[in-house]
Amino acid sequence: DAGVIQSPRHEVTEMGQEVTLRCKPISGHNSLFWYRQTMMRGLELLIYFNNNVPIDDSGMPEDRFSAKMPNASFSTLKIQPSEPRDSAVYFCASSLARTSSSYEQYFGPGTRLTVT
Amino acid sequence: GEDVEQSLFLSVREGDSSVINCTYTDSSSTYLYWYKQEPGAGLQLLTYIFSNMDMKQDQRLTVLLNKKDKHLSLRIADTQTGDSAIYFCAEDTGTASKLTFGTGTRLQVTL
Repeated sequence: DAGVIQSPRHEVTEMGQEVTLRCKPISGHNSLFWYRQTMMRGLELLIYFNNNVPIDDSGMPEDRFSAKMPNASFSTLKIQPSEPRDSAVYFCASSLARTSSSYEQYFGPGTRLTVT
Repeated sequence: GEDVEQSLFLSVREGDSSVINCTYTDSSSTYLYWYKQEPGAGLQLLTYIFSNMDMKQDQRLTVLLNKKDKHLSLRIADTQTGDSAIYFCAEDTGTASKLTFGTGTRLQVTL
């Protein structure tokens, strides 16, 4: 398996523009997570899905952020409009959640977003 | 709360053992995890331990779990320069697939 795939790997955009980050989870995994990592705040969970349904979006900073998972093999994280404080590395991770088993997550390489 | 705490930085000499510590708060956690993040990369799962165990060994890695004190540690034997990275511990919530990650410990290996 190719692992979790994220695109683009780097994104530079101007303040006010729309940014869309993409993620393809590992085939067969049923949970998907979006994280944001910065020096100041560390690793933050933004939202996660189980079986394509959003379960907890309490980490989404504000209404400018939205996430979708239209099917089991694709998810997007959109920021509209973007602001300089959104600059961070955004990670997608997936896992196979099974009762009475471990929930190890597998991370993608991340998208480094710079908003100028 | 769901705070998972780690010290920020650890420096060791090549060949020595490294011990990275973590304290967690959720006593209902079923599994606890250690992840490694190299510069410019995502987090990579190193190992995990079931909460009913107190030790797990995997080659150079030894995980110790003290459930009474909610303390988890990762020992790396014969530390190499390639072990330089940020190490994160994480706990599951016991009933869902969400993990709570610690703040990360940056391990620096010197010659």
